[in-house]
Amino acid sequence: QVQLQESGPGLVKPSQTLSLTCAVSGGSINSGDSYWTWIRQTPGKGLEWIGYIYYSGSTYYNPSLKSRLSLQVDASKNQFSLKLRSVTAEDTAVYYCARGRSDYSYYMVDWGSGLTVTVSS
Amino acid sequence: QSVLTQPPSVSGAPGQRVTISCTGSRSNIGAGYDAHWYQQLPGTAPKLLIYGSNNRPSGVPDRFSGSKSGTSASLAITGLQAEDEADYFCQAYDTTLSGAVFGGGTKLTVL
Repeated sequence: QVQLQESGPGLVKPSQTLSLTCAVSGGSINSGDSYWTWIRQTPGKGLEWIGYIYYSGSTYYNPSLKSRLSLQVDASKNQFSLKLRSVTAEDTAVYYCARGRSDYSYYMVDWGSGLTVTVSS
Repeated sequence: QSVLTQPPSVSGAPGQRVTISCTGSRSNIGAGYDAHWYQQLPGTAPKLLIYGSNNRPSGVPDRFSGSKSGTSASLAITGLQAEDEADYFCQAYDTTLSGAVFGGGTKLTVL
């Protein structure tokens, strides 16, 4: 089982950029059968898929976030990251990184423990 | 509003059987994509419970099972135990989003 751990600031000011990192252990980020995914959860909107990045660098983003979002992979550190620009209070959420697979369409096999991010001045 | 529709809550007594429904559309479950289910215990991350509509990862008891028909999927839990009290979410791939969509979650209460 692959372990994932999110890290980053718990508080971000409005209009700034949210930057999170997900460290992967127990497996290689270069695995061709994994889709490195970000998901967030709020009490109001529930679970929201943010996007995923493949080890090759190809990405798929939620259209609602695409204009502000950037996902990257750092194979040398076995980690991937998220940058969300121009944040507002609506971006306050628990952010999860996850390992996705596609052998039975697309689903999340392993999840990080989650990181609470609050957007506030 | 979530793309997949689940009942907000279900309940059952210990030992009983409960089912949780998940209704999608022709752009996700109805398009032939599998439904997946996650269990989220209070204060923890979601955990994969069922994948590919009716497959259990190792370690998940066979009291949990899934099914799919048309644009809907269901999760059944038999022999309810107190430890099953949690939130349950369904998820599927959606062609409109080109990504994952989730249900709003169902809170299971063991009476």
